[in-house]
Amino acid sequence: DTEVTQTPKHLVMGMTNKKSLKCEQHMGHRAMYWYKQKAKKPPELMFVYSYEKLSINESVPSRFSPECPNSSLLNLHLHALQPEDSALYLCASSPRGGTGPSGSSYNEQFFGPGTRLTVL
Amino acid sequence: GESVGLHLPTLSVQEGDNSIINCAYSNSASDYFIWYKQESGKGPQFIIDIRSNMDKRQGQRVTVLLNKTVKHLSLQIAATQPGDSAVYFCAENAESPVIQGAQKLVFGQGTRLTINP
Repeated sequence: DTEVTQTPKHLVMGMTNKKSLKCEQHMGHRAMYWYKQKAKKPPELMFVYSYEKLSINESVPSRFSPECPNSSLLNLHLHALQPEDSALYLCASSPRGGTGPSGSSYNEQFFGPGTRLTVL
Repeated sequence: GESVGLHLPTLSVQEGDNSIINCAYSNSASDYFIWYKQESGKGPQFIIDIRSNMDKRQGQRVTVLLNKTVKHLSLQIAATQPGDSAVYFCAENAESPVIQGAQKLVFGQGTRLTINP
């Protein structure tokens, strides 16, 4: 299995709802990431997990709560979101080290297809 | 500061021609760069990467060139095909690999490549 999967593909929620985004990879990668991408903009890093521990939080509002239950799963819990949080949420993973499929000794990140989130 | 940008937001080329997409970066300490392709409705797809100790790297129909003197990165696509239509992002490793191998990538603004038949 050489892909990152994300569910759901689309999500519409109200500002008072609680929902979760899920990400899964079975490539044995030990670093996982959440990005937010607005239309016609590049992905912006939100969180980085390394060995199931949160290592980077890019000053993301607390209404976004990440969770890494095990080395294959990454969740993003959403609560009390605002309409401006509507975006494509991307998950990525990368190997800890060694040589990636490209032959590079650095860790390229593999992205999932994203969850298109709309907050009403 | 940390920023990665692209010279052109859009690029149109004829099918079969070569495409060159450019990227400028500002962090001279960056040591790793990646090009991603993003098609509509999909996540970014890895194309090719290059480390700062290299000037050039070739893949299948793609070549990445790195000029550290002027902090410039380019992606060359040979014999462009309709399937190459997408937004192309360069990404820069803004810090050395930190904390057990996790990376922090900073993406450029992207260039939309359109292929004319």
